[in-house]
Amino acid sequence: DVKVTQSSRYLVKRTGEKVFLECVQDMDHENMFWYRQDPGLGLRLIYFSYDVKMKEKGDIPEGYSVSREKKERFSLILESASTNQTSMYLCASSLWGRLGGVETQYFGPGTRLLVL
Amino acid sequence: SQQGEEDPQALSIQEGENATMNCSYKTSINNLQWYRQNSGRGLVHLILIRSNEREKHSGRLRVTLDTSKKSSSLLITASRAADTASYFCATGNTGGFKTIFGAGTRLFVKA
Repeated sequence: DVKVTQSSRYLVKRTGEKVFLECVQDMDHENMFWYRQDPGLGLRLIYFSYDVKMKEKGDIPEGYSVSREKKERFSLILESASTNQTSMYLCASSLWGRLGGVETQYFGPGTRLLVL
Repeated sequence: SQQGEEDPQALSIQEGENATMNCSYKTSINNLQWYRQNSGRGLVHLILIRSNEREKHSGRLRVTLDTSKKSSSLLITASRAADTASYFCATGNTGGFKTIFGAGTRLFVKA
């Protein structure tokens, strides 16, 4: 079974703090994703990585950066946390589908971040 | 606006009944997926249907896809209390990395 783990289930930080969220997958997947989930808005893609050191911006990259130094690990960084970044953060990984696009994604349990 | 929009937003049924959730989308797709999310947890992939398929089954799940109407439905037969969760549709495109998720349908199955 694919396993995607996230470093924390719950996190409380203060405005202005630098926040690191880590994600590790154990299935040698090329692709990794960071989403945030807010009530009524579904999942919104923050960043995507298709290889080590490679990244693409998603729909809402502002205020976030990412790092992928190893294939199995994808980190999300909030350089200076703000209250509007209070949210549920979900990491996912996938292979490329047989037609070249992303298909099935495997999600971690999520990190619920509260910024005070 | 979102690509995938589920309908209804919330559904409450008795155990043993069938639950049907619908999803509409706006642009051409390569595949459509359904995911389940238990309260406060990550998403779990349920089923993927490709644009050239019309119907797919997996256990108690049945998914249909109508590309002419840009819509899909998820049917859960003989529902159980353990099916209580949020269900999301998500659309993918050939060669693309973005999977667009809807806001979800919250299903509550009463024992």
